[in-house]
Amino acid sequence: KQEVTQIPAALSVPEGENLVLNCSFTDSAIYNLQWFRQDPGKGLTSLLLIQSSQREQTSGRLNASLDKSSGRSTLYIAASLPGDSATYLCAVRTGGFKTIFGAGTRLFVKA
Amino acid sequence: EAQVTQNPRYLITVTGKKLTVTCSQNMNHEYMSWYRQDPGLGLRQIYYSMNVEVTDKGDVPEGYKVSRKEKRNFPLILESPSPNQTSLYFCASSYSSGGPTGELFFGEGSRLTVL
Repeated sequence: KQEVTQIPAALSVPEGENLVLNCSFTDSAIYNLQWFRQDPGKGLTSLLLIQSSQREQTSGRLNASLDKSSGRSTLYIAASLPGDSATYLCAVRTGGFKTIFGAGTRLFVKA
Repeated sequence: EAQVTQNPRYLITVTGKKLTVTCSQNMNHEYMSWYRQDPGLGLRQIYYSMNVEVTDKGDVPEGYKVSRKEKRNFPLILESPSPNQTSLYFCASSYSSGGPTGELFFGEGSRLTVL
């Protein structure tokens, strides 16, 4: 059974720092991996989608990588801002159209 | 504007009173899905639909029903709600004509409290 783990569970950094969030999954047979941002009590906003055949995707200050063979993805945030404070979730799409989410990393960027 | 719309956004109800949470998308997506989010348990998939009249169970389907009679709508039905169904519910959709590779788009969420 596919399991998705995110480390760390929480992270506090000063503004301007570069940071890396980690996502690992147990079964490499995935179709894609998607990173989301969730603000408290709000919906999920899609950040980056990486298909299984891709190695990375970039959008502005965000870069996501995927290593299917090792079951890992990282989300790199450059020059963090207080507005980046949120919970970041990764999700893998598996065969059978199921989606499995990690528990998330709660990020706090101090001004 | 491309979006997934859920209603109601907030609902307080009592045990046993049937309720329906609606979900509608305007992106002509084949795939739609429901999730619940609970503290400490994260997001878990309830049901999903690959297309009209095609649905399947996710990881936590007990106590829920769904139907997909139209491509744009995917309502979640709680026939006899119980307090353990108090949760934040999300609907999502994506393209799926080439397999489950499409980007998932989420609604704003529906916070349900069952007393």
